[in-house]
Amino acid sequence: DIVMTQSPDSLTVSLGERATINCKSSQSVLYRSNNKNYLGWYQQKPGQPPKLLISWASTRESGVPDRFRGSGSGTDFTLTISSLQAEDVAVYYCQQYYSTPQTFGQGTKVEIK
Amino acid sequence: QVHLVQSGAEVKKPGASVKVSCKASGYTFNIYEMHWMRQAPGQRPEWMGWVNGGNGNTKYSQKFQDRVTITRDTSASTAYMELSSLRYEDTAVYYCARGRTAFGVVIADHWGQGTLVTVSS
Repeated sequence: DIVMTQSPDSLTVSLGERATINCKSSQSVLYRSNNKNYLGWYQQKPGQPPKLLISWASTRESGVPDRFRGSGSGTDFTLTISSLQAEDVAVYYCQQYYSTPQTFGQGTKVEIK
Repeated sequence: QVHLVQSGAEVKKPGASVKVSCKASGYTFNIYEMHWMRQAPGQRPEWMGWVNGGNGNTKYSQKFQDRVTITRDTSASTAYMELSSLRYEDTAVYYCARGRTAFGVVIADHWGQGTLVTVSS
């Protein structure tokens, strides 16, 4: 199974400041024949199901604010929230769908300073 | 809009089985897969498997292969997940999630509200 490891486990950021979450996979999730990274990012607020924010490492889902940006390739990925808003308080998970079982990182909790 | 409504919370004894339903609306059920995931308290989500809404083909995680059965009823736009031989460590919130197929993989793009399954004697 591909192991997904996120850092940090938690993050406290002031309103309007940048939040950066890292995700590392135990093997590459880049499929070379189509040059796509099989990596998604989810946001989970308390008491709610996860919400898909970004697929293919950097493609925002419809309706996701452009302050959310995904980047990276191969085994190292980053989710950046450019200007943290109060409604962004949540746990964020990366997930690989390169192979089954699809696996998630342990999550990064983002809070307001 | 896509809407997935799951059945209510369950309390089961060890060794019993549980069956959770997921009724879909807002899209054409039989051209998407349906994932099932679970999330134990304070833990990351865990993928269990999926069913093809059209032909009923399934793919399961090896971890659950011997205990899980995922089915669907296209006439009711509903998917089901049955987990047998329940253990205390199966206590979790179980989610269905619509599976969007692209580039040979199935991405979970819309999730149900979750069903809490508690295993307790």
